[in-house]
Amino acid sequence: SAVISQKPSRDICQRGTSLTIQCQVDSQVTMMFWYRQQPGQSLTLIATANQGSEATYESGFVIDKFPISRPNLTFSTLTVSNMSPEDSSIYLCSGGQGMSTEAFFGQGTRLTVV
Amino acid sequence: GQQVMQIPQYQHVQEGEDFTTYCNSSTTLSNIQWYKQRPGGHPVFLIQLVKSGEVKKQKRLTFQFGEAKKNSSLHITATQTTDVGTYFCAGPRRKTSYDKVIFGPGTSLSVIP
Repeated sequence: SAVISQKPSRDICQRGTSLTIQCQVDSQVTMMFWYRQQPGQSLTLIATANQGSEATYESGFVIDKFPISRPNLTFSTLTVSNMSPEDSSIYLCSGGQGMSTEAFFGQGTRLTVV
Repeated sequence: GQQVMQIPQYQHVQEGEDFTTYCNSSTTLSNIQWYKQRPGGHPVFLIQLVKSGEVKKQKRLTFQFGEAKKNSSLHITATQTTDVGTYFCAGPRRKTSYDKVIFGPGTSLSVIP
């Protein structure tokens, strides 16, 4: 199993600013993903964080808005740029060794943009 | 595109009653996973099913994968207040691709003591 530490756990930010969320895994994982979850809703995949290369974004999400880094197999960051109130949500990172194995999630970052 | 649906969206049960949530995919799945998310928490992996018709049990929880590998169910016997949360099924984006996981919309379970 793997433990993912995600921070910050929550933040209140001014519109127009940016927030970087970090995820640290206690062991190397092949795959890391970033999700967004609105209260009471399911998880929406933002992007796959690729080690040493550009992230793969899902439809509706772009690199300029959500730049992602993954410098190694245990760490990734997601930046929410030029925030607006519509970006208020819970952001989750997950990691695992592949789709045929379980995914581990960070504790989530509850973001409120005012 | 591929979709994963779950029913019901919400379920309120009296403690001790049984509960079942159903997951249906528009395409055949190579495997399906189930996760539980407690209120205010993050999703936690419960189980993975791989084989057609597979049935797995975890104490009061019974998981089943359909013969056609397009549907799955989670059944909880004699619910307890600790079962409260949202249950998500999740499957690979495509049958032969292991690069993404699609989560169903989830079933939110409330247990009345």
